Amino acid sequence: AQSVTQLGSHVSVSEGALVLLRCNYSSSVPPYLFWYVQYPNQGLQLLLKYTTGATLVKGINGFEAEFKKSETSFHLTKPSAHMSDAAEYFCAVISRGSARQLTFGSGTQLTVLP
Amino acid sequence: DTAVSQTPKYLVTQMGNDKSIKCEQNLGHDTMYWYKQDSKKFLKIMFSYNNKELIINETVPNRFSPKSPDKAHLNLHINSLELGDSAVYFCASSQDIYGYTFGSGTRLTVV
Repeated sequence: AQSVTQLGSHVSVSEGALVLLRCNYSSSVPPYLFWYVQYPNQGLQLLLKYTTGATLVKGINGFEAEFKKSETSFHLTKPSAHMSDAAEYFCAVISRGSARQLTFGSGTQLTVLP
Repeated sequence: DTAVSQTPKYLVTQMGNDKSIKCEQNLGHDTMYWYKQDSKKFLKIMFSYNNKELIINETVPNRFSPKSPDKAHLNLHINSLELGDSAVYFCASSQDIYGYTFGSGTRLTVV
């Protein structure tokens, strides 16, 4: 079964610093890849996705992610953190040819320090 | 216009009770889902319905029963509630592989 691993359950950065949240998937066939954000007491919002084509994907709120097949990774980055970026971030995958089942990583809590 | 709406947002109930959570989507999507988010924020799929047909039924106690009267609605009924059922339950919908739309969640607390 497809799985996704997020390294680091908690990440802290200073405001204005680079944000890097790590995600690796386990599959010989690259799945469809997603990043979702969850603000406190809210639902999940899609940040960006990779399905095919360009491997550098730009999303909302200044986030981007790069699909690297050789590293089976899909890390999320943002050049300059803002206080409003503090949230829980989830990497997720849908296996190609599956019943469209979205499988989540364990999440990374991002804290932005003033 | 709310795309995926769940009711209620909060639900506090005693052990042994039966409760339902309702979900409706106005996006015209053909597939709907229930996810459970535990206290450690881990999200796990419970059920998936495609055009009212059960597609995914993960290992979930049979006290949980989804019902889809039409493709815009997917309700979750839980019998004989237990303390361990306390969690946030998310409804979601999708039309293709390009992403899901999630509801805002129902926080269930069993006391």
